[in-house]
Amino acid sequence: GAVVSQHPSWVICKSGTSVKIECRSLDFQATTMFWYRQFPKQSLMLMATSNEGSKATYEQGVEKDKFLINHASLTLSTLTVTSAHPEDSSFYICSARVGGTTDTQYFGPGTRLTVL
Amino acid sequence: EDQVTQSPEALRLQEGESSSLNCSYTVSGLRGLFWYRQDPGKGPEFLFTLYSAGEEKEKERLKATLTKKESFLHITAPKPEDSATYLCAVLANSGGYQKVTFGTGTKLQVIP
Repeated sequence: GAVVSQHPSWVICKSGTSVKIECRSLDFQATTMFWYRQFPKQSLMLMATSNEGSKATYEQGVEKDKFLINHASLTLSTLTVTSAHPEDSSFYICSARVGGTTDTQYFGPGTRLTVL
Repeated sequence: EDQVTQSPEALRLQEGESSSLNCSYTVSGLRGLFWYRQDPGKGPEFLFTLYSAGEEKEKERLKATLTKKESFLHITAPKPEDSATYLCAVLANSGGYQKVTFGTGTKLQVIP
């Protein structure tokens, strides 16, 4: 089956530092990857859509300069939280889209970010 | 604006007690409806994709159905290991591109 990995799975950082999260599709190529964040006991909120070789499309209210997305290849997308603050603490989840006749998304295991 | 509403918010069942979870949606240009299972602290695990009204999919104790306004996830004779939050999401055309909107989930607890 389609496997998506994320690294790191858990990170704690000081306020003001930047954190990079990697999302990889391990056994398939994904032209489109999505980044979500999830607050405790809430559903997933789409942050941005990442297309290989082009700029990411950000959802309304998501700061593109704050959350930098780079879709470097068909198997790798990265999310960099720049100058992180405590309010950025959240669970960040990526997904990779498999298109064609079985259009669906496969999710990574998530990254827990805690900003002190 | 696309909306996805799941009910109930939480459901507690005895082992073996069958029930259904509901996902109602209002979107334009539906491309697909997904069901996922999410355990605490983990990413969602894909269960089903439904594309058109009348479609049904089954996997072990789970069966998903789709109408033009809603989808049901039927759980037959659930076991404690089925306890999780079940999420539905719709993929729809929005402003020239495709967008996925998630519901808030139904937290299922199956008691032995």
